[in-house]
Amino acid sequence: QVHLVESGGGVVRPGGSLRLSCAASGLNFRPSGIHWVRQAPGQGLEWLAFIMSNGRDYFLSESAKGRFSISRDFSRDTVYLQMTSVRPEDTATYYCATDLEGGTSGPSGADVWGQGSVVTVSS
Amino acid sequence: SYVLTQPPSVSVGPGQTARIPCGGVNTGGDSVFWYQQKPGQAPALVMSYDSDRPSGIPERFSGSSSGSTATLTISGVEAGDEADYYCQVWDSTTDQVVFGGGTQLTVL
Repeated sequence: QVHLVESGGGVVRPGGSLRLSCAASGLNFRPSGIHWVRQAPGQGLEWLAFIMSNGRDYFLSESAKGRFSISRDFSRDTVYLQMTSVRPEDTATYYCATDLEGGTSGPSGADVWGQGSVVTVSS
Repeated sequence: SYVLTQPPSVSVGPGQTARIPCGGVNTGGDSVFWYQQKPGQAPALVMSYDSDRPSGIPERFSGSSSGSTATLTISGVEAGDEADYYCQVWDSTTDQVVFGGGTQLTVL
């Protein structure tokens, strides 16, 4: 069973940058497509980004384009979400999740989820 | 753009059947995924490809789609089913993953 752990959250000032990490481990783990999804306090789920298992192809939500980027380091089994020019409305719990289809043919559903990393944007 | 519409809340008594709709779906072409999220927990996949139940999900959970609406049905609702439920699709025309606004299921 794959296990995901997010890290890198914390308090950041408006206009600042932050890099979230999603480390994967587990028996029979192989690189999978990874989603980043966030949830503002008391709000619903918002998809942000997806990177395919090849690490080259990715998709970003309209709200993420221009400020966020996604990448992966195969040697560390880790996927990153780089956040720049953060705003108070970026305050949320950020989850990463594996893709149900494995990430070779585009996004589908989100299968295994991490427990989330909390980001607070405040001066 | 793709908009998935869910009622904010659904309430049923224990043992009854809860039906949670997700409107705005291109049921002829797009697969719908459903997630359950309990307070303080990460979401969990409870239905994939409209009606496929992942391993470990009780048979009480089922999914269907008709017209432009997908529906998650929970039969014999239990107190432990009380949670927020979200539908989700991949819109290949815009390369966007879209979530519905979520439905809070209350077991009376």
